[in-house]
Amino acid sequence: GAVVSQHPSWVICKSGTSVKIECRSLDFQATTMFWYRQFPKQSLMLMATSNEGSKATYEQGVEKDKFLINHASLTLSTLTVTSAHPEDSSFYICSARVGTSGFTGELFFGEGSRLTVL
Amino acid sequence: DAKTTQPTSMDCAEGRAANLPCNHSTISGNEYVYWYRQIHSQGPQYIIHGLKNNETNEMASLIITEDRKSSTLILPHATLRDTAVYYCIVRVNYGGSQGNLIFGKGTKLSVKP
Repeated sequence: GAVVSQHPSWVICKSGTSVKIECRSLDFQATTMFWYRQFPKQSLMLMATSNEGSKATYEQGVEKDKFLINHASLTLSTLTVTSAHPEDSSFYICSARVGTSGFTGELFFGEGSRLTVL
Repeated sequence: DAKTTQPTSMDCAEGRAANLPCNHSTISGNEYVYWYRQIHSQGPQYIIHGLKNNETNEMASLIITEDRKSSTLILPHATLRDTAVYYCIVRVNYGGSQGNLIFGKGTKLSVKP
């Protein structure tokens, strides 16, 4: 299947700092990527939909000024957690859809990025 | 909210078939049934998907009832590495944000030696 890579795999930061997580589609172009968050022992929760060349669409309850999403190219989307706090500690996962429009097929997921805010 | 219902957990003996059920009684005509699994601390892995007909690939088989209100994922010869949370998801297959995946709680499958 298609490969989606996230970086970093894990990161520890101090409270108040910002952290950037990258999501890359390695062998295909993705006009749409999705960002999820997963707290311990819970399911994945969709945070936002990242569209290449346009603004991201955020789910209800997700602060767009806190979780900045940039999808500058067809193979890269970034999620920046600004002014991180301990409650932002979570497992962040991106996914990308193969294809540019029309039928989309399955979504492929990155390995996830574990953020710990001290 | 997720549109599927799955048992919280299941056990399976190594080498035996694992049959994971999923109810999706409100599925629409244009919605597909997708299965993903998530091994601890990893991103979800695509397994299989189908619309009406039964499907099989190198990983698993998907059996969808004629009324499409339920389905079963079959791992024919479960191994210890199949221990994971298995998610059954219904989703339309077209572009735009509507094509995202909404995850429920899934079934935690434990394969035992």
